Amino acid sequence: AQKVTQAQTEISVVEKEDVTLDCVYETRDTTYYLFWYKQPPSGELVFLIRRNSFDEQNEISGRYSWNFQKSTSSFNFTITASQVVDSAVYFCALSEPTGGGADGLTFGKGTHLIIQP
Amino acid sequence: NAGVTQTPKFQVLKTGQSMTLQCAQDMNHEYMSWYRQDPGMGLRLIHYSVGAGITDQGEVPNGYNVSRSTTEDFPLRLLSAAPSQTSVYFCASSYSGQGVYEQYFGPGTRLTVT
Repeated sequence: AQKVTQAQTEISVVEKEDVTLDCVYETRDTTYYLFWYKQPPSGELVFLIRRNSFDEQNEISGRYSWNFQKSTSSFNFTITASQVVDSAVYFCALSEPTGGGADGLTFGKGTHLIIQP
Repeated sequence: NAGVTQTPKFQVLKTGQSMTLQCAQDMNHEYMSWYRQDPGMGLRLIHYSVGAGITDQGEVPNGYNVSRSTTEDFPLRLLSAAPSQTSVYFCASSYSGQGVYEQYFGPGTRLTVT
């Protein structure tokens, strides 16, 4: 069975600090997909990134970067120079495309990130 | 494109009442799914559909029914509401293509059962 663990329930940092959100996953499939979503206080889910299991390149998008390591089954997310607008709940999720990805995502429980001014 | 729409945005029910949460997408996506979000629990899959006429159960299907008569619509029915079904419900759609598959989420329905 697939599982996603976000061990950090809540993180609080001061603005401009760097912060890393951890995500560890479990799957028996060799082909799978990992996602990060942001849920701001307004409640909608905002897609941030998708990574497939064959692509271990790290990715950077502005102040956001992702570190995918198959050896440790981790897909960590780093925000550099954090800003108050980054305050949100962040979810890591896993999909095993056995059914073409149709059978939904398995989400972690989320990390509540608080950026203090 | 409106994307994924959900109605209503808020709903209060009494225990034992039934209702239908509506979900529609205008992106011609094959796949649709329903999740519920509870505090500290992340999102959990209730039911999903791989196409019109085909549905299957997710992790927490009890107390919910779905049907998919068209590609666009995927309503979620609560047969007899219970306080344990107080939650935020998200509908999502996705498509098959060159890989998997960003899930496009609706704005959510906040349901309270008293």
